[in-house]
Amino acid sequence: DAKTTQPPSMDCAEGRAANLPCNHSTISGNEYVYWYRQIHSQGPQYIIHGLKNNETNEMASLIITEDRKSSTLILPHATLRDTAVYYCIVRPGGGNNRKLIWGLGTSLAVNP
Amino acid sequence: NAGVTQTPKFQVLKTGQSMTLQCAQDMNHEYMSWYRQDPGMGLRLIHYSVGAGITDQGEVPNGYNVSRSTTEDFPLRLLSAAPSQTSVYFCASSYRFTGVDNSPLHFGNGTRLTVT
Repeated sequence: DAKTTQPPSMDCAEGRAANLPCNHSTISGNEYVYWYRQIHSQGPQYIIHGLKNNETNEMASLIITEDRKSSTLILPHATLRDTAVYYCIVRPGGGNNRKLIWGLGTSLAVNP
Repeated sequence: NAGVTQTPKFQVLKTGQSMTLQCAQDMNHEYMSWYRQDPGMGLRLIHYSVGAGITDQGEVPNGYNVSRSTTEDFPLRLLSAAPSQTSVYFCASSYRFTGVDNSPLHFGNGTRLTVT
């Protein structure tokens, strides 16, 4: 099962784009990249996931490199409420949630 | 929908006491699971269930029991609490366990447990 590597912390100015990187160099062909975030004292919240194509939803965009060894989560206009720990996880397509490996994520601080 | 509801939010136990952490979901999710979160460590899977009557162990099951008598509820029992079980506990569910569905996990807001 693939593991991911994320920077422990990042800062971003309010209103600017936050670009959170994730390395998953051992990802397999059928493994999806998932992003969750955890706001202080709350449970993790799903943001977005993708396989090989870039994805966008109302919360964020996910850019996956062509070789799929890394990805970037983009929060286009960060607000103070986006201050949270962001987790990048890989999951086998059609695979079970039992095998998810949760690291320590990236602690994003959005500053006024 | 309320989503995933965990009770209580906070609990203090003495060593040796037992208690049950409650988890309920109203999304008709097939898969339910319990994680613990400790400082400096990622979420670790304790037990999980793929449907009513079916449970299995995760990464750190010792000291915990679970049962799944209904689709909605998945309680976690601490049999004899120890200080090492001081942690934040999260319940999570998803629509499917495996298969072509890649639905994400939905988490409750946690139970903060202190064992003295």
